[in-house]
Parts: sequence; C-alpha cells; structure tokens
Amino acid sequence: AQSVTQPDIHITVSEGASLELRCNYSYGATPYLFWYVQSPGQGLQLLLKYFSGDTLVQGIKGFEAEFKRSQSSFNLRKPSVHWSDAAEYFCAVGFRGGGNKLTFGTGTQLKVEL
Amino acid sequence: DGGITQSPKYLFRKEGQNVTLSCEQNLNHDAMYWYRQDPGQGLRLIYYSQIVNDFQKGDIAEGYSVSREKKESFPLTVTSAQKNPTAFYLCASSPKTGREQYFGPGTRLTVT
Repeated sequence: AQSVTQPDIHITVSEGASLELRCNYSYGATPYLFWYVQSPGQGLQLLLKYFSGDTLVQGIKGFEAEFKRSQSSFNLRKPSVHWSDAAEYFCAVGFRGGGNKLTFGTGTQLKVEL
Repeated sequence: DGGITQSPKYLFRKEGQNVTLSCEQNLNHDAMYWYRQDPGQGLRLIYYSQIVNDFQKGDIAEGYSVSREKKESFPLTVTSAQKNPTAFYLCASSPKTGREQYFGPGTRLTVT
C-alpha cells in the first residue's frame, strides 16, 4: 500500500532563514505530488503540485519543491521564511490509475521565531 | 466567489445521537471527499464520490454514512456507531480531469 512520510513533526526556524520540509513516499506507480498548508482551525490550502515535466515546481507564497525520483522525495523549500509562514504543512501523494484519491502525510508543524 | 462551504463550523452532540455535517461546492467539481483529522494523524479518508448517486468507502468508513444526490452537495452523517467521533472533519472536491483537491474550512465536532 502507498504511504507518505514526513519525518519531522515539528520544525523551528528564525524569520529570514531558509526552510526545507521533507517528504518521502512509497509508491509503485508514477506519483502525483502535492504540498498543502493549514492554519489552526482552518482548511487546507494548496501550495504547489507536481504531475510531470520539470522536477522543480514553483508554488504560491514563495515556496518551491523538487521531485527526486531516485530518492522518492518531494521536499518543500523556501529561501527566506516569514513569520506568517507558521502553520502545519502536509505532503500528499496520488498516482495514475488511483482516481483522484490522495494519501496524506502526518504533517510538519512549523514555528517561526522572530 | 467559487468555493466549498461547510456548516456549521462547530458542532456539539451528545453520545448516541446521529449528526449530519454539510458540505456544498459551487466549483462544478465532479469528485467530493470527506476526511477526518486528528492531532498527529494527518488526514484520513472516510468516503469519496466521483459522480452523483455513487460513492465509495475510504479507509475509515465504519460508523459514517454519506449521500450524493446532487453534484454540489455531499453530506456526511456521523452515526452513533462511530466509537470516537470527536474530530475535525474536512470536505474536499476535485475536478474530473484534475488531480488536486480543494478543501473547505472544516467542521469541528465534539461529542460528549
């Protein structure tokens, strides 16, 4: 069965520092990959998505992610974090032939120190 | 504005009562989903529907029921058979040809 791992439950960074959130997946087929962000008590907002093509994808709010097939990873990055980026981040994976079903990781809580 | 609405935002019920959570979308999306979110467990799929009058069980369907009589609406009933119903419930939708899902604001259900 497919699975998604976000190995970091909590991450704390200083405002202005760079950020990388890790995501690894286990799939037999070619995956679709997503990153979502959730503020407390709110729904999830789509940050970026990868279906095919260029393995470095740009998203909203200055985020980017890189798909590395050899490492089964889709890590999220931001060069300079803002205090408003504090939230919970979820990686999600789907696959061709799986309909529109997604499997979500357990999330990474980001704290930003001023 | 197009989007997904969930109501109410907060819901309180006594144990043993069934409760229905509303989810409406005006995005003209074909597929709709219900997830349950618990701290530290991410999102778990309860039910999903890809077309009107059809739906499938997700990973944790026991104690829940759904209907899909209209494209825009996908209500979720939490029955008294659900052993631990207190959670944050999220509804989502996706277009037929797309793969990404769009989420509503969620309903927090507390059962005492």
